[in-house]
Amino acid sequence: DGGITQSPKYLFRKEGQNVTLSCEQNLNHDAMYWYRQDPGQGLRLIYYSQIVNDFQKGDIAEGYSVSREKKESFPLTVTSAQKNPTAFYLCASTRMNTEAFFGQGTRLTVV
Amino acid sequence: RKEVEQDPGPFNVPEGATVAFNCTYSNSASQSFFWYRQDCRKEPKLLMSVYSSGNEDGRFTAQLNRASQYISLLIRDSKLSDSATYLCVVNGQGGYNKLIFGAGTRLAVHP
Repeated sequence: DGGITQSPKYLFRKEGQNVTLSCEQNLNHDAMYWYRQDPGQGLRLIYYSQIVNDFQKGDIAEGYSVSREKKESFPLTVTSAQKNPTAFYLCASTRMNTEAFFGQGTRLTVV
Repeated sequence: RKEVEQDPGPFNVPEGATVAFNCTYSNSASQSFFWYRQDCRKEPKLLMSVYSSGNEDGRFTAQLNRASQYISLLIRDSKLSDSATYLCVVNGQGGYNKLIFGAGTRLAVHP
């Protein structure tokens, strides 16, 4: 089955630690996205990538980093510079001007 | 001004009611438009795409007015299961495959 997979589903980060969230898709989509969602809030764009080896900052990129070495994969690193990382992180992929498909999300908590 | 703005909600309606959600977008170069539904603590799921000619899927009708940069969603005969947050989504701004989400409008349908 084609789809988009995020892992892990739950992640706990200690203060000052970098963590990486995985996002893999087998839909052959060119574009991939990372969003952050806080309780009761909408989705805010962190980074997006339209093609391999290229990515753009979204509205809240500070404290995050990404890579796009393969079409299928778009991992997100939450660095220690992100002071309030506790949130629900969603990865999505699309073809040009089509609807987005989402992974099931990763809930990150700082402990 | 936000790129995509929605009615703030929440909308509390009885079963059987008709409810309408509105959305405006700021970039006239936007190419494609969607409504998503998001249940609590889940990823968004596509409800329907929105076309200039309007489209209908059962109890749901979506409309796009490009001149006014306005998108709407009408839900007729509301069911308890329609309770969720409805997200307006715009893609393809200026030729870029960039998905922008509205903050969402929460709908609560009560018996």
